[in-house]
Amino acid sequence: DAGVTQSPTHLIKTRGQQVTLRCSPKSGHDTVSWYQQALGQGPQFIFQYYEEEERQRGNFPDRFSGHQFPNYSSELNVNALLLGDSALYLCASSAFGTGAYNEQFFGPGTRLTVL
Amino acid sequence: AQKITQTQPGMFVQEKEAVTLDCTYDTSDPSYGLFWYKQPSSGEMIFLIYQGSYDQQNATEGRYSLNFQKARKSANLVISASQLGDSAMYFCAMILAGQGAQKLVFGQGTRLTINP
Repeated sequence: DAGVTQSPTHLIKTRGQQVTLRCSPKSGHDTVSWYQQALGQGPQFIFQYYEEEERQRGNFPDRFSGHQFPNYSSELNVNALLLGDSALYLCASSAFGTGAYNEQFFGPGTRLTVL
Repeated sequence: AQKITQTQPGMFVQEKEAVTLDCTYDTSDPSYGLFWYKQPSSGEMIFLIYQGSYDQQNATEGRYSLNFQKARKSANLVISASQLGDSAMYFCAMILAGQGAQKLVFGQGTRLTINP
């Protein structure tokens, strides 16, 4: 059973460029969340996708956008890259349900460096 | 607003000793969940243990136990008989139960180093 996968593993971009990160959820999961983790910090919630719609968004500018496909995979797009966007981007998948919480399984992350 | 505080930036422990990693939280919601994750240098977040706000007993998972003190709003992680492979970053996180979109709120983390 494959877990959460992310691509690419590493990425180097220059300021002003655009980047797309990809995530495939764990089998049986239909919800994908994206987090940004700056060096030395805890992850910060960017947004969550369910049924191909953004359900909640953290405190991130509109330069950060996403998409979820019918197969539940997801993309994170960042436009007009800034040096401060350099971080580890983590994808987490979960199965939407009515329980007290939906455990989130994390992928290995994509490390983005903006020069 | 939810907030997680981890006051120990780094901890150094001898192999085979027990270690306690501190976590305090703040929320006005009565229904929430608390998590601990381990993050090795590879970057992946590894789930360790979960405690629900209404759970009567402290959670345990093998060598991991969660010392949940609701009145103090603390959820400390205890690792018994530490091993060299336990060296990693450890994050405490909170989720509000039942919300439509469940986001995890993380603390700043504690870097644990196990010395041989």
